Amino acid sequence: DAGITQSPRHKVTETGTPVTLRCHQTENHRYMYWYRQDPGHGLRLIHYSYGVKDTDKGEVSDGYSVSRSKTEDFLLTLESATSSQTSVYFCAISEGQSNEKLFFGSGTQLSVL
Amino acid sequence: AQSVTQLGSHVSVSEGALVLLRCNYSSSVPPYLFWYVQYPNQGLQLLLKYTSAATLVKGINGFEAEFKKSETSFHLTKPSAHMSDAAEYFCAVRGVTGGGNKLTFGTGTQLKVEL
Repeated sequence: DAGITQSPRHKVTETGTPVTLRCHQTENHRYMYWYRQDPGHGLRLIHYSYGVKDTDKGEVSDGYSVSRSKTEDFLLTLESATSSQTSVYFCAISEGQSNEKLFFGSGTQLSVL
Repeated sequence: AQSVTQLGSHVSVSEGALVLLRCNYSSSVPPYLFWYVQYPNQGLQLLLKYTSAATLVKGINGFEAEFKKSETSFHLTKPSAHMSDAAEYFCAVRGVTGGGNKLTFGTGTQLKVEL
């Protein structure tokens, strides 16, 4: 299994508070991604990174920011959490930019009350 | 933009029966297509991928998928279902813009296998 660790695994927070989710990899892969999974929507890309300090938006980036100061860490921040951001968040990594497969973490269940 | 549509959010089969999970794609260029599987409380795992080398793609756990350009389909099949195949399955297509392997996923099909 690819070395991907997401933390925390579960979090409950209140509306309006900032939240940071962490993804840590030990594979030295260049590309990292944050997806959210919601019933009826599958997985949707929030942000991705193609290198240290190089990030770009996905299809559902509003209300989220990311940072990547080291190859191994990719942080997702909900600047002011809302109930619509209650979801399961998955981090993924890939080595190349061609048709390389994604390796997924085990997910973070976030509940915003 | 690339997209995939999975027909049927829930599919139920008997153990030993054929599994058929449907996926249709929309793409302006020859697509890279994938099937991923998600077991309960886990992340997704790659089952197989199509990269234009061969239209019939074999994956892990006895699954295979056939790329049919004329039907814009990439359906997933397995001749004989096993109880351990119960999971959620996602079809995905790779985007053509930007770097990396940005995937657009379908909404998923939950497979139930009954005795």
